[in-house]
Amino acid sequence: GAVVSQHPSWVICKSGTSVKIECRSLDFQATTMFWYRQFPKQSLMLMATSNEGSKATYEQGVEKDKFLINHASLTLSTLTVTSAHPEDSSFYICSARGLQESYEQYFGPGTRLTVT
Amino acid sequence: GQNIDQPTEMTATEGAIVQINCTYQTSGFNGLFWYQQHAGEAPTFLSYNVLDGLEEKGRFSSFLSRSKGYSYLLLKELQMKDSASYLCAVLDSNYQLIWGAGTKLIIKP
Repeated sequence: GAVVSQHPSWVICKSGTSVKIECRSLDFQATTMFWYRQFPKQSLMLMATSNEGSKATYEQGVEKDKFLINHASLTLSTLTVTSAHPEDSSFYICSARGLQESYEQYFGPGTRLTVT
Repeated sequence: GQNIDQPTEMTATEGAIVQINCTYQTSGFNGLFWYQQHAGEAPTFLSYNVLDGLEEKGRFSSFLSRSKGYSYLLLKELQMKDSASYLCAVLDSNYQLIWGAGTKLIIKP
């Protein structure tokens, strides 16, 4: 149980275009979803936290107009990277948390974004 | 501020035992997680400690001392596939996960 999928697993886009990444909890209801980015050989950096039906809470330094997050249902959250630039190239990982006591986060497999 | 410290890199031999330490200073404490992350993949859950003591799960064990702000992950009978980064993360008073930078573990034959 507790499977999280992410789509696409990798994407290459041109500078200036937008890319949407989907994160789905397949067998549980995710009350909270998290979006992370990770640069090579660095740790996870939390970008934003989203609760179903409400606006996402962005971490300091993350542009909310550039990284649009929508958490429309208890099983789906999307991250849209708008007007992508080469410096946005990174590994984007989502995680989901249900109502279990341990507050464990279940991670999706990640999306590798390359902006050319 | 909130801070989690763990060694950047460790090297061990196949079949041996290795202990990865993690110290933390956070605003509140609601548990400590250990995750394993292979290169290019997402983290996978290893353990969760909220009470002091040792939790054993197969070849992996995790220890917590809340009074010392200290945890360790113990890996026994090391296998080559254990080569990965190990991430320590603390759930703070707001139930937010605070992540350490990770420890890259290199296993040599």
